[in-house]
Amino acid sequence: NAGVTQTPKFQVLKTGQSMTLQCAQDMNHNSMYWYRQDPGMGLRLIYYSASEGTTDKGEVPNGYNVSRLNKREFSLRLESAAPSQTSVYFCASRGFGQGGEYNEQFFGPGTRLTVL
Amino acid sequence: QKEVEQDPGPLSVPEGAIVSLNCTYSNSAFQYFMWYRQYSRKGPELLMYTYSSGNKEDGRFTAQVDKSSKYISLFIRDSQPSDSATYLCAMSLGNTGFQKLVFGTGTRLLVSP
Repeated sequence: NAGVTQTPKFQVLKTGQSMTLQCAQDMNHNSMYWYRQDPGMGLRLIYYSASEGTTDKGEVPNGYNVSRLNKREFSLRLESAAPSQTSVYFCASRGFGQGGEYNEQFFGPGTRLTVL
Repeated sequence: QKEVEQDPGPLSVPEGAIVSLNCTYSNSAFQYFMWYRQYSRKGPELLMYTYSSGNKEDGRFTAQVDKSSKYISLFIRDSQPSDSATYLCAMSLGNTGFQKLVFGTGTRLLVSP
């Protein structure tokens, strides 16, 4: 199992450009998440998908859109990139679970995005 | 005020020291308390989790939860240079169904040989 994969690993954009960050998981998880991580701010939730076919805003959704393409894939789109969106972006997934053992949230390796 | 507070550090210790990492939180409804470890330029990985109050031990690592004080701790015994990483605390309301995690900002730990 590859776990959670993200592409690209690195990206440099100019202000106003658009791009899509891709995320896929092979663990048959129901829920998927997009976070951004900035120095001193920790992990902040941008959008999440509780299950296939649903998406909801997190703590910092402005300037982003998401698509839950199928159960495996959850993409994050920046329509018009701004320097404030320079960050490291992490995708994560988690199974629903039925109680018992803790259901861990698994993270991808991250995408380092710089907006000039 | 943030829902979860964590000192960002960095915390620098010599090899072999006992390390104490801490978080405080405000929501008394949290039931699950996690510690994630994040190496430089990597994604976070779950280190330990604790349900409700009490202690949990795993090798050199001990997690403690004091719900009455809304305070959680991670202790690392006999710290090693390989423990150098950022440690993030996280909390959730439950385990079944869909859950969101609330993270602390992370504490950067440096263990020198």
